[in-house]
Parts: sequence; C-alpha cells; structure tokens
Amino acid sequence: DIVVTQSPDSLAVSLGERATINCKSTQSVLYSSDNKNYLAWFQQKPGQPPKLLISWASIRESGVPDRFSGSGSGTDFTLTISSLQAEDLAVYYCQQYYSVPFTFGQGTKLEIK
Amino acid sequence: EVHLLESGGGLAQRGGSLRLSCAASGFSFSTYAMNWVRQAPGKGLEWVSGVVGSGTTVQYAASVRDRFTISRDNSKNTLYLQMNSLTVEDTAVYYCAKDHYDYVRGWFDSWGQGTLVTVSS
Repeated sequence: DIVVTQSPDSLAVSLGERATINCKSTQSVLYSSDNKNYLAWFQQKPGQPPKLLISWASIRESGVPDRFSGSGSGTDFTLTISSLQAEDLAVYYCQQYYSVPFTFGQGTKLEIK
Repeated sequence: EVHLLESGGGLAQRGGSLRLSCAASGFSFSTYAMNWVRQAPGKGLEWVSGVVGSGTTVQYAASVRDRFTISRDNSKNTLYLQMNSLTVEDTAVYYCAKDHYDYVRGWFDSWGQGTLVTVSS
C-alpha cells in the first residue's frame, strides 16, 4: 500500500498570510504513460464532508478560489493558500489515487493565528 | 447538481450487521463508479470499497474484505454497503463518494453528508 504522510499536523497562520502544507508518498504517484500525478487535495470544514479542491496534483476544481494552488511531482507535493481567509479554517487532506487501496494523509488542521 | 444522501446508519452490536444506502441524483448514476469512504470519530479518511458503473467489478480495503459487500441498483440510483461481523473499529461516519469515471479510479469528486455507524461492545 502507498502510505501518504502530511506535514505539519497542525498549522496556525495569520489572516492574509501564506499557508503551506506538505504531502509525501512512499512511492511515486506519477504515472509514466500519461505523465500525470494521481494526487488530490481535499478540504474538510467542521461537520461537513470533504470537498475536492485539487486533482492531478495541481488542477483546481471548478469554483475553487485561485488562492489555492497545488504543486509537486512523484512523491512530494504541496498545497499552498496564498492569502489565508477566515473561511479557510479546515482540515486538509491529500490522497493518492494511483493504486488501490486509495489512501489519504492523516490531515493537517489549519487554524487562524 | 450531484446529490448523494446516505442512510441506514445507527447503533449495532459487535458481530452484528447493518446495511447502508446512498441515494443518488443529479447525474447519470449508472455511468459512474461509486465508493464508500469512512471516517472514525476525530480521525482521518479511509477508503472502504468501490464498484464500477455496471456493478460487475468491486474492490475493497483489506480491513473490510470478506465482511463488507458493496453493490448498486442502477434502476433505483442507489448504492449499498452490507456490513457484517461488525467490530468496534468499524465505528465511523460512512460517506458515499462519486468517482469521476465509470471504473474505480479513486477520484472522489462529490460526497454525501455521511451516516454514522456506531458499534458497541
């Protein structure tokens, strides 16, 4: 199984500042046949289901604000929120969909400083 | 708009059974794979099982294989999860999640609100 690990476990950032969350997988999720990274990012607000933010490591879903961006390739990935807003308070998860079983990172709790 | 509504959660005894349902609307149900993902209280997300659009191929996490059965009724736009031999470790909110393709890709683009399963010892 591919193990996905996020860092940090929690993060406190001031409004308007940048937030960066890292995600590392135990094996590459870059599929050579299509040169795509099978890595997604989700946002989960309290009492709500997860919401897909980013697919293919860097492609924002429709309606996701452009302050959210994803980067990385292979085994190392980053979610960046360029200017933190109050509504970004949530737990963020990365997830690999390269192979079954699909696995998630443990989550990063983003708090407002 | 995609809408997924889970039901069937509740309290079960250890070793008991429950059947979850997920009613889907707003998309062509039979042309997309569907999945179950669970979240233990205060914990992270765990993929449980997936089924292709036709229902002919299923996949399971090792933790539930041989105890849980995923199925779907495309005539009713409904996904199911039959859970047998329940353990305390199965206590979680169970979400149904729509896949982006007709095969189980693990690209979860829409989620229901979830249904809570509590297994007592």
